[in-house]
Amino acid sequence: DTAVSQTPKYLVTQMGNDKSIKCEQNLGHDTMYWYKQDSKKFLKIMFSYNNKELIINETVPNRFSPKSPDKAHLNLHINSLELGDSAVYFCASSPDRGHYGYTFGSGTRLTVV
Amino acid sequence: EDQVTQSPEALRLQEGESSSLNCSYTVSGLRGLFWYRQDPGKGPEFLFTLYSAGEEKEKERLKATLTKKESFLHITAPKPEDSATYLCAVQANQGGKLIFGQGTELSVKP
Repeated sequence: DTAVSQTPKYLVTQMGNDKSIKCEQNLGHDTMYWYKQDSKKFLKIMFSYNNKELIINETVPNRFSPKSPDKAHLNLHINSLELGDSAVYFCASSPDRGHYGYTFGSGTRLTVV
Repeated sequence: EDQVTQSPEALRLQEGESSSLNCSYTVSGLRGLFWYRQDPGKGPEFLFTLYSAGEEKEKERLKATLTKKESFLHITAPKPEDSATYLCAVQANQGGKLIFGQGTELSVKP
């Protein structure tokens, strides 16, 4: 069983479209995250939820909206996609707000054309 | 501002040639320093957590050390399967987010 699973793995879409990425973890962790990895492999946090409560909201365009229906799921919805949104998006989870490290998913490669 | 800088950006080694990767950090109260390995097309995989200066951890050919300003990942007698990008991250006392460096891309040739 995959511990942190993301869907889809690849997403190619046109500018202006709206898309969602889904994430699920079966580790029983309380905290989940979305990170963005740019073309230079630099990972930067976007959002974090702890037990369905938003606890980290970095400077991210409000076209990005996370939703956590329960503590095992954290989805990312992106409105009006732009070329600059092209990147790999990683979901992660941790048991204690990151103190013991994260478990990452395998990533979603988003390409906006 | 909390910051992590890794060096070198890329490292090429021959199989068996030991070396070290550096992670320099500035953080307002270190809660933990983390090392991850990332293979192409995959998510980062957890390797180590270090919590205080002087601490060391080992796993197979890898050994991580920590001082008050930097961490080293020592690779002893590397093998081609050690080729990957190694990421360093810090967690400050305030909040749970990990702040990552840009990574070191390691290539080990047979």
